Formats: sequence, structure tokens, C-alpha cells
Amino acid sequence: LAKTTQPISMDSYEGQEVNITCSHNNIATNDYITWYQQFPSQGPRFIIQGYKTKVTNEVASLFIPADRKSSTLSLPRVSLSDTAVYYCLVGDRRRTGANNLFFGTGTRLTVIP
Amino acid sequence: SQTIHQWPATLVQPVGSPLSLECTVEGTSNPNLYWYRQAAGRGLQLLFYSVGIGQISSEVPQNLSASRPQDRQFILSSKKLLLSDSGFYLCAWRVNRQGGETQYFGPGTRLLVL
Repeated sequence: LAKTTQPISMDSYEGQEVNITCSHNNIATNDYITWYQQFPSQGPRFIIQGYKTKVTNEVASLFIPADRKSSTLSLPRVSLSDTAVYYCLVGDRRRTGANNLFFGTGTRLTVIP
Repeated sequence: SQTIHQWPATLVQPVGSPLSLECTVEGTSNPNLYWYRQAAGRGLQLLFYSVGIGQISSEVPQNLSASRPQDRQFILSSKKLLLSDSGFYLCAWRVNRQGGETQYFGPGTRLLVL
């Protein structure tokens, strides 16, 4: 099971771009990288997922280098409402039925006015 | 559309009392369902998962148990609660989507054991 390492916390001012990097040195060939966002007293919410290179959606971008041992979640022009905990997970989508997604402690992002 | 429900939203129970938390999903059939617990300021800990009716796998041995009496119902139980059972309990179901798979979480149940 591929574990991940993220910074415990980050602070950013409103309007800035935020990059959160996650290390996953033991990522396996069939593992995908998924990022979730969690607000207090709510369940995590899917943000973005990727396998390699770059993925972009309406919320964020995900950058994955060729060796896939790390990934970076990029949030453009953050606002106060982006204050949350962000989790990086890796998992093998072939293992149907078995949960292979490990939630660590995540990165607590605080956006400052 | 798919929806996941949990109840109750909040629960305060004395030590040694029983527990029953319910999770139901709508808009899908034969979902993979999961129970997580999150202690204050901590990450999510996977407790149980189920791939079908009557099929339960436990990730962490403890005084909790789970059951899946119907396809879209997942129940978390305990015969005697401990103080350490306090936390935020989340039910989730997994879907396959283009580009991989994701989990969708319910609103959660906050349990305080006194």
C-alpha cells in the first residue's frame, strides 16, 4: 500500500496560487493519484485525479512528473473558502472491492485575507 | 443522481452503551461501501468495507462491527462503546469514473462518548 507524505500545514494570502506537493515514493504501476478536500464537519470531496503528466479541471491542476514519485496540486487564485484540509491518495483501481486508498493526515491550508 | 445518507448527524452516548449508525445510498446498485472514523484533528481511518450484501471486511480490529443487510444499506454497530470511540464517522461509496475511481462521502455522524 503506497503511503503518502504531505506538509502538515500551509498558509497563503487570498488571490495567490497555492501548490501542495505530495510524495509517494512507493507508487505502483497501476496506482492513480487522487486529491480530496475536506471542510470541518464534512466528508472529503473529490478534487482531481491523474495518472501522469498534467490534469486540469475547473477547480485545480495536478502535475505529475515522469517518475510519478510525487505530485503537486495547484489551486489558482485561492479565496477564503479554499481554507480546508487537502488529502493526497494513491490507489490501484484494479483492486475492485478492496479499499486501497489511504488517507493520511493531509495538509491544512489556511487562506489569509 | 447518486446520494448517500447518514444518520443520526450527532450522537452523545454514555460509555458502555450500544451504538447503531446507518448509511444508505440512492441511485446506484451493488455499491462498494466503506466506514471511516476521523478523530479530532486527525486523518481518516478505514474501519470496514463491503462489496455486497452480507460481505464485510474489517481493516482494524476493535469493538465495532458492521453489517450490510441490504444492497444499499450499511450499518456500523457496537455492543459497548468506549471513550476512544468518539469521533466523526463517515460512510462512503466508491465509483469507477473515467480516469480512475473516486469515493463519495456522506455527511457524517459526530459521536461523543462520555
